[in-house]
Amino acid sequence: NAGVTQTPKFQVLKTGQSMTLQCAQDMNHEYMSWYRQDPGMGLRLIHYSVGAGITDQGEVPNGYNVSRSTTEDFPLRLLSAAPSQTSVYFCASRPGQGQVQPQHFGDGTRLSIL
Amino acid sequence: GDSVTQMEGPVTLSEEAFLTINCTYTATGYPSLFWYVQYPGEGLQLLLKATKADDKGSNKGFEATYRKETTSFHLEKGSVQVSDSAVYFCALSDGGANNLFFGTGTRLTVIP
Repeated sequence: NAGVTQTPKFQVLKTGQSMTLQCAQDMNHEYMSWYRQDPGMGLRLIHYSVGAGITDQGEVPNGYNVSRSTTEDFPLRLLSAAPSQTSVYFCASRPGQGQVQPQHFGDGTRLSIL
Repeated sequence: GDSVTQMEGPVTLSEEAFLTINCTYTATGYPSLFWYVQYPGEGLQLLLKATKADDKGSNKGFEATYRKETTSFHLEKGSVQVSDSAVYFCALSDGGANNLFFGTGTRLTVIP
């Protein structure tokens, strides 16, 4: 199994550019989420989805959009990149809404905004 | 709201030393608690979990006990190895969607 696959692994953007970070999972998981990881701040939840067609905001949603048209894919869109969005982004998934079920993480996308 | 407070690092230990990384939490409900580990250049991997008070999670020699009375979930290992060098995150799962709330992470370096 590939698990959770994120692309690209690295990206450099200029301020104001837009881009989409891709996330795909092949485990038929209902729940998917996006986090950003910044030094000294741990991981913070950006957006999440409890199933196809359903998305919701996390702790730091501003500047990001998501959609969930299929169970497998959960892309994260930056509409107009800002230097404050320089970070490492992680996508994660888990089977359902059960509290005890751990999340499976991708290897991350390192994004730099100049 | 829900939050996790984790011992700040970095932590540097000699091989075979005893490890403790402190973690305390604040939650409105009855959370599940997790420790995740991140090796260099990789995503997070689940290390262990506990789902109710007094549960002990264990894996690869690491242990943590869910203490409701002290709202803590401290990570311990009796004898660390160089291969344990990584960043360790304490996290809780709570609320309607059971989203994860993470601590800030503790970087552990084990020297031979």
